[in-house]
Amino acid sequence: RKEVEQDPGPFNVPEGATVAFNCTYSNSASQSFFWYRQDCRKEPKLLMSVYSSGNEDGRFTAQLNRASQYISLLIRDSKLSDSATYLCVVNGGGSYIPTFGRGTSLIVHP
Amino acid sequence: SAVISQKPSRDICQRGTSLTIQCQVDSQVTMMFWYRQQPGQSLTLIATANQGSEATYESGFVIDKFPISRPNLTFSTLTVSNMSPEDSSIYLCSVDFPGTGHTEAFFGQGTRLTVV
Repeated sequence: RKEVEQDPGPFNVPEGATVAFNCTYSNSASQSFFWYRQDCRKEPKLLMSVYSSGNEDGRFTAQLNRASQYISLLIRDSKLSDSATYLCVVNGGGSYIPTFGRGTSLIVHP
Repeated sequence: SAVISQKPSRDICQRGTSLTIQCQVDSQVTMMFWYRQQPGQSLTLIATANQGSEATYESGFVIDKFPISRPNLTFSTLTVSNMSPEDSSIYLCSVDFPGTGHTEAFFGQGTRLTVV
């Protein structure tokens, strides 16, 4: 079983739609959780951290469920500019090195 | 935050040759990480580069194939040696930097390598 698994993509949605991605992790001792965004031919960049209490940043909401070991990212009112690959990243649990999921591709069309 | 300059941004190389990728950080950092990202795949850690000691390689990666230098706290190089088409990939350097309540990973712009 892979350490970090994400929903297979691509997700193809119209502008204005709400879309959700899930990510599961295998190391129950993991301590830090993030969503990164990677545009085509670009490096990954931090989108948001994921806290136990959940957090919201504008149209983006991230949730953490430690009991079930999954993380989610919800995007409301999708924009064309949201089209990218979203990487789930997990850290801690005995390692200082982050573990990346393979990413979920989102395509927002007019 | 950290700003990372990575070069070259892309290269096309003949099989059997070697390419050295450079990574410069605008702040002193203890560890620098080198990743490989193959098409449609996630980032795979190649090695961790520490200043003053040998790099620590992950399973499946060896120093003879991917020698790494770390001469100071702001600079590192990764060499892809004796290249084959299977080495065609994006190579990324990364550092961890303190953020607000967490440690954030920053990446160089990546080197897109094509081996022909």
